[in-house]
Amino acid sequence: DGGITQSPKYLFRKEGQNVTLSCEQNLNHDAMYWYRQDPGQGLRLIYYSQIVNDFQKGDIAEGYSVSREKKESFPLTVTSAQKNPTAFYLCASSGRRVSTDTQYFGPGTRLTVL
Amino acid sequence: GQQLNQSPQSMFIQEGEDVSMNCTSSSIFNTWLWYKQDPGEGPVLLIALYKAGELTSNGRLTAQFGITRKDSFLNISASIPSDVGIYFCAGLNYGQNFVFGPGTRLSVLP
Repeated sequence: DGGITQSPKYLFRKEGQNVTLSCEQNLNHDAMYWYRQDPGQGLRLIYYSQIVNDFQKGDIAEGYSVSREKKESFPLTVTSAQKNPTAFYLCASSGRRVSTDTQYFGPGTRLTVL
Repeated sequence: GQQLNQSPQSMFIQEGEDVSMNCTSSSIFNTWLWYKQDPGEGPVLLIALYKAGELTSNGRLTAQFGITRKDSFLNISASIPSDVGIYFCAGLNYGQNFVFGPGTRLSVLP
């Protein structure tokens, strides 16, 4: 079954800790994305990557970091510098760099800072 | 970043009724996408539109790419309880990132 997986589904973090959210896809897509979703709001782009070993900041990259060492994987680290990290995080992928026609989402990770 | 406008923001309908919602932008797009998101889940792609004026159906769902390329419409016929959720639109221009609307929250009353 082709698709995007995210883990864990729920994540709790103490203030001052870094946490890493996993995203894996087996769709053979070149581009991958991380979005943040807050209640009642649309999706906001954190980081995106069009190709392995390359990534760009989105609209709200401060306090986050990513890596793209493999085509299938695009982990997101939420650092202690992110002031308000509690949110629902969505990973997505698309077929041909940024100008592709469609985008598919993973099931999401809900991060709560205690 | 740029955002799309969606209306209505929320709607309550009776089971069996038809639903209409739209998405507008001040900019033109080459692609329009419609997604449905259930609580606590990721958005699921419903319909993709690639050409101005295009009308595409997916079961009881029909979406249209506006002629001006600045808007898109989604209709749901004969709504059922499982239609409950948030419907997002997204626009795309070549060489740019996807832009998303804030969503329309649909509630279906039995």
